[in-house]
Amino acid sequence: DAGVIQSPRHEVTEMGQEVTLRCKPISGHNSLFWYRQTMMRGLELLIYFNNNVPIDDSGMPEDRFSAKMPNASFSTLKIQPSEPRDSAVYFCASRSLPGQGGSWDTQYFGPGTRLTVL
Amino acid sequence: AQTVTQSQPEMSVQEAETVTLSCTYDTSESDYYLFWYKQPPSRQMILVIRQEAYKQQNATENRFSVNFQKAAKSFSLKISDSQLGDAAMYFCAYRSSGNTPLVFGKGTRLSVIA
Repeated sequence: DAGVIQSPRHEVTEMGQEVTLRCKPISGHNSLFWYRQTMMRGLELLIYFNNNVPIDDSGMPEDRFSAKMPNASFSTLKIQPSEPRDSAVYFCASRSLPGQGGSWDTQYFGPGTRLTVL
Repeated sequence: AQTVTQSQPEMSVQEAETVTLSCTYDTSESDYYLFWYKQPPSRQMILVIRQEAYKQQNATENRFSVNFQKAAKSFSLKISDSQLGDAAMYFCAYRSSGNTPLVFGKGTRLSVIA
């Protein structure tokens, strides 16, 4: 299995631009999580989906942030407009749901996207 | 809300020696899961070990073992025979039962001295 795939690995953009981060979860996993890592706040949950449905988006910092999961194999996190304080590493993680077999109690992380907003 | 505390921002250990990283957590739940993740300079989050709260036996994975003290809400990680490749950030994480997200501690940066 290829693991969780994220793209791009690095993104440098200017303030005010739209940024789209992409994630492909592990095949068969039906739960997907977006986390953000910064020096100040550490690792924090932004939003998560079960069976493509958003369950908890309370961690999304502002209306500038939006996330979608149109199908079981793809999710996007969009920032519009971006600001310098959005600079961070964004991780996507996936997990199978209980009853679907495998290591359902463990989240597997992608390599992360390092976002720099100038 | 649950919280996870890692009181050691940095630790160092001599190669081949043993080191213990501390983690405490706060919860009112009785059923939950605990994890240690390793983050090397590549940024990849790698699962090191996990523990189910209902299991009394401490989890072990090769050179990695935990000391899980449920009453004290403590979950420390012991690394035996430390290797240079063990140098990384280590994050302790908590997850409630059911399909819930992880709550992370701030991390401990481990250096391994040759």
